[in-house]
Amino acid sequence: GAGVSQSPSNKVTEKGKDVELRCDPISGHTALYWYRQSLGQGLEFLIYFQGNSAPDKSGLPSDRFSAERTGGSVSTLTIQRTQQEDSAVYLCASSLEGVFIQGLTLYFGAGTRLSVL
Amino acid sequence: AQSVTQPDIHITVSEGASLELRCNYSYGATPYLFWYVQSPGQGLQLLLKYFSGDTLVQGIKGFEAEFKRSQSSFNLRKPSVHWSDAAEYFCAVGARSGYSTLTFGKGTMLLVSP
Repeated sequence: GAGVSQSPSNKVTEKGKDVELRCDPISGHTALYWYRQSLGQGLEFLIYFQGNSAPDKSGLPSDRFSAERTGGSVSTLTIQRTQQEDSAVYLCASSLEGVFIQGLTLYFGAGTRLSVL
Repeated sequence: AQSVTQPDIHITVSEGASLELRCNYSYGATPYLFWYVQSPGQGLQLLLKYFSGDTLVQGIKGFEAEFKRSQSSFNLRKPSVHWSDAAEYFCAVGARSGYSTLTFGKGTMLLVSP
């Protein structure tokens, strides 16, 4: 597609439920990133996929968070047993390359606003 | 590891006035530097980026930024602000060695008064 697409745009869930957030990157982009944006906290890196390499999961805040990327394209971020502190906007970004490049230009989706009640 | 500081959480500027948003970074060498803008309900849009060469970088929407190595700064400027510039602005830094993601500052919210 023309840009990074994320769905749903809004998600309201009850504490303890699992949620799945979807990201469809720009066609041909090999790198995909997930960030979390909490009020007043800026953007927090969560996870990074580059091609067929093992993902960099160093930013995942707990083992309740996981992500996968199927076929080098669409990615799903899963949060299990959601907690109120998980409420945030989850942003997905993609870039043409992620390793030893001349510049990390990320293209962002509009995000999924997650509210945990 | 790199870090970014945006010292101003909010800034209010009159329409037509000049703007400067501050960004300071911490990194052991010359990093890649970026400014992104986020309008309400939207994702982040790249305004400009610095990789190497001329330290004054021109971006979209009339914005520019200057990389000052001695001050570890990459401040964003615009000579005349328009009401449509009201948004949140994020400075980001990326490492040059190995792969990395971008590290973002906490953002500066720009309010434009009539």
